[in-house]
Amino acid sequence: DAMVIQNPRYQVTQFGKPVTLSCSQTLNHNVMYWYQQKSSQAPKLLFHYYDKDFNNEADTPDNFQSRRPNTSFCFLDIRSPGLGDAAMYLCATSPPLGRYTEAFFGQGTRLTVV
Amino acid sequence: AQRVTQPEKLLSVFKGAPVELKCNYSYSGSPELFWYVQYSRQRLQLLLRHISRESIKGFTADLNKGETSFHLKKPFAQEEDSAMYYCALSGGWSGNTPLVFGKGTRLSVIA
Repeated sequence: DAMVIQNPRYQVTQFGKPVTLSCSQTLNHNVMYWYQQKSSQAPKLLFHYYDKDFNNEADTPDNFQSRRPNTSFCFLDIRSPGLGDAAMYLCATSPPLGRYTEAFFGQGTRLTVV
Repeated sequence: AQRVTQPEKLLSVFKGAPVELKCNYSYSGSPELFWYVQYSRQRLQLLLRHISRESIKGFTADLNKGETSFHLKKPFAQEEDSAMYYCALSGGWSGNTPLVFGKGTRLSVIA
């Protein structure tokens, strides 16, 4: 049973047209993450929530925003997608990360910008 | 700053041969180290964590603080081990330090 679900799996958007990616979880985890992964590169953390506390990575472009209306859902908003934003976007959840916890990933949303 | 380095993008071995996927890290405190794996068309998932000192699917990894390494090893590779492997690090007990990943190594096991 999928525990972290990302929708859609594939998203095509126009250059400059706002787009929203969604993630839901059934694990009731405190922490939710958004990663961007470009071809042959490491997943790059964009931001994460610890409950309602939002943590933005210093090098995440302002073009990227996130919302977490409740424990189960988290959204990634790209206000004006550029060609360089085409990537796989991964959502993950975890309890507070420590030695005996792990992050659970969704299958990702592949974003194409045309 | 946290950093994870996986020097090999691709590693090809024959079935039955030993495998070693390299991982080096930099972190100022006491990190927690993990290996995540992604099989074809599947989601990223945890393979093993250093604190458990466990063997999963025949894989083991030992944390060497002196060399700041966490290499993944398996004595006899199987075809089903072919996948993308990511070494990852988190800051540990604070609970609010997310995972940082290496660039990954694609393991290809040749029959």
